[in-house]
Amino acid sequence: NAGVTQTPKFQVLKTGQSMTLQCAQDMNHEYMSWYRQDPGMGLRLIHYSVGAGITDQGEVPNGYNVSRSTTEDFPLRLLSAAPSQTSVYFCASSYNRQRFDGYTFGSGTRLTVV
Amino acid sequence: EDQVTQSPEALRLQEGESSSLNCSYTVSGLRGLFWYRQDPGKGPEFLFTLYSAGEEKEKERLKATLTKKESFLHITAPKPEDSATYLCAVLSPSGNTPLVFGKGTRLSVIA
Repeated sequence: NAGVTQTPKFQVLKTGQSMTLQCAQDMNHEYMSWYRQDPGMGLRLIHYSVGAGITDQGEVPNGYNVSRSTTEDFPLRLLSAAPSQTSVYFCASSYNRQRFDGYTFGSGTRLTVV
Repeated sequence: EDQVTQSPEALRLQEGESSSLNCSYTVSGLRGLFWYRQDPGKGPEFLFTLYSAGEEKEKERLKATLTKKESFLHITAPKPEDSATYLCAVLSPSGNTPLVFGKGTRLSVIA
């Protein structure tokens, strides 16, 4: 049982480049979400999904896209990377949006945009 | 606007020196308060959920309590392995941010 798997663990991008952060879970969780964590800012919700084919915006969605074609995968796309997107990104999943006891976080992707 | 404030930002304890971390919140209609532990380079790990004032939860050297305005994470006789950042989060019924996190308390326990 792998839990929530994020790839890559580290990434350096140049301004304007695009990339996809991968997130996969093997727990049959309905709810998946992406957070970013910045020094002094805490964890902030970017996008979330309550099931395959359904996504919605969180607190800081600008510059990011998501899709949910399967229950297992929830990739986060950076369309045109900016230095302000330098952060640590966490994917989290839960049985559903309301059962937060079951929130499982991935180990994170550390992204640097130069 | 829902807010979660954690204090202190950082805490340094000697091994065996008990203390408490604070999480104060302003949420209309709190539906739950959550404590997580985060080790460097890792994702947050769930510790406790509290739903109503007066509720308490314990796990090894940690005890979480909840009042109508704040929660405390009490650490009794801490060990160096308790060193981590402790995050508090609240479940709000408003808006599209179901889990609002505080900025965390960085705990260091010195042997």
